[in-house]
Amino acid sequence: KNEVEQSPQNLTAQEGEFITINCSYSVGISALHWLQQHPGGGIVSLFMLSSGKKKHGRLIATINIQEKHSSLHITASHPRDSAVYICATKPLGNKLVFGAGTILRVKS
Amino acid sequence: EPEVTQTPSHQVTQMGQEVILRCVPISNHLYFYWYRQILGQKVEFLVSFYNNEISEKSEIFDDQFSVERPDGSNFTLKIRSTKLEDSAMYFCACGAGVNTEAFFGQGTRLTVV
Repeated sequence: KNEVEQSPQNLTAQEGEFITINCSYSVGISALHWLQQHPGGGIVSLFMLSSGKKKHGRLIATINIQEKHSSLHITASHPRDSAVYICATKPLGNKLVFGAGTILRVKS
Repeated sequence: EPEVTQTPSHQVTQMGQEVILRCVPISNHLYFYWYRQILGQKVEFLVSFYNNEISEKSEIFDDQFSVERPDGSNFTLKIRSTKLEDSAMYFCACGAGVNTEAFFGQGTRLTVV
C-alpha cells in the first residue's frame, strides 16, 4: 500500500528563515507533486518532479528516487507563504496519493 | 493563465437529495479527476476519467456516485441520495497527459444536513 508521510505536521517560522518540508513514500512512483492549499481551500500546483531538482522563485523541490524521499525548500520565507503544503505521489495508475500536509505559518 | 472552474463554490443539501457538482476543465486537457477532502483529513482520490470513460476509481466511488462529460466542456460529479458523511470539499482536477502537472479547481464545499 502506498503511504505518503510528511514532516513536520506544523511549522512556525520567522520571516526570512529558510524552511524545509519533507515527504517520504513507500512504493515506486512515476512522479511526485508539491501542492499549496490556502485557507479558502483551493489547491495550487507548485512542482511536479520525477527526478533531480526544480526551482521556481524562492521555492526549490528535490527528489531522491532511490531513497523515496522529497523535500520542498522555501528561501527567505514571507508571511504570504503561510499555507498548507501537500506532497502527493503518482504510483502506477492515474491517481494522486496525498500526504496529510504541513501547516506552515510565517510570522513577520 | 488557464484555470479549472468549479460551481457552485458551496452547496447545502438535505440528506437523501441528489447533487451535481460541475467543473469546466482546461480546454485542451484530456485527463479528468475528482478528489474529495473531508474536513481535517487528507485529500483522497475518487475517480479518473479519460476518453469518455472511467479509467480508475476508488472504493469510495460506489454506485452512489457517477461522472459524466456531457458536452465536451463540462465534467460533472453526481452524488445520489446524499449522506451526512458525504460532506466534504470536492475538487476537480485535470491534466494534459498522464504524467503532467495537475491543475485543480477551487473546490465545491458540500454540506449535507
